Amino acid sequence: AQKVTQAQTEISVVEKEDVTLDCVYETRDTTYYLFWYKQPPSGELVFLIRRNSFDEQNEISGRYSWNFQKSTSSFNFTITASQVVDSAVYFCALSEEEGTYKYIFGTGTRLKVLA
Amino acid sequence: GAGVSQTPSNKVTEKGKYVELRCDPISGHTALYWYRQSLGQGPEFLIYFQGTGAADDSGLPNDRFFAVRPEGSVSTLKIQRTERGDSAVYLCASSASGSSYNEQFFGPGTRLTVL
Repeated sequence: AQKVTQAQTEISVVEKEDVTLDCVYETRDTTYYLFWYKQPPSGELVFLIRRNSFDEQNEISGRYSWNFQKSTSSFNFTITASQVVDSAVYFCALSEEEGTYKYIFGTGTRLKVLA
Repeated sequence: GAGVSQTPSNKVTEKGKYVELRCDPISGHTALYWYRQSLGQGPEFLIYFQGTGAADDSGLPNDRFFAVRPEGSVSTLKIQRTERGDSAVYLCASSASGSSYNEQFFGPGTRLTVL
């Protein structure tokens, strides 16, 4: 069965601290895609990154970086030098190659960055 | 270009009434998804359209829920005999094609409140 677990319900950090958001997934497919989305207070989900199951290279985009490890079925997201504007709910999602490409979302992690 | 739009942004109705929620996907996107997001939860899949046809409606909770996409563009989610438990944010997303590879672009959602 497909499942995405984001065990951290809420995290609070002080501005400029680094923070890592955890994501663990379950799937029986060998080909799948993982995504991170940001949901700011306005409510609209904003795409951050896509990773396919065959590419375990870590990725960095500005202050954001992602660590994908198939051995532990994890796809963690790190924000370096956090800013108040990073405050939002972050969702990890799984999409399998077989099927209708729907997303299976985790329950989200609420990040609060305090000034 | 224009993103995914949803109308209305808010809908308040009474238990037992009928409601329609509209989604305008990004122009040219053939795949359209509906999700439902309850408070404090991640979005949950409802239905997926590829073109005009519903390719997967396995997420619809019961037969009070129905969705159409007659011309392969705009979609309407219809809920009959609304119940208080239907209160949630209904999200629409579109992608360039039905593929796990393509990220989904989400609209701002319709917040449905059933009194």
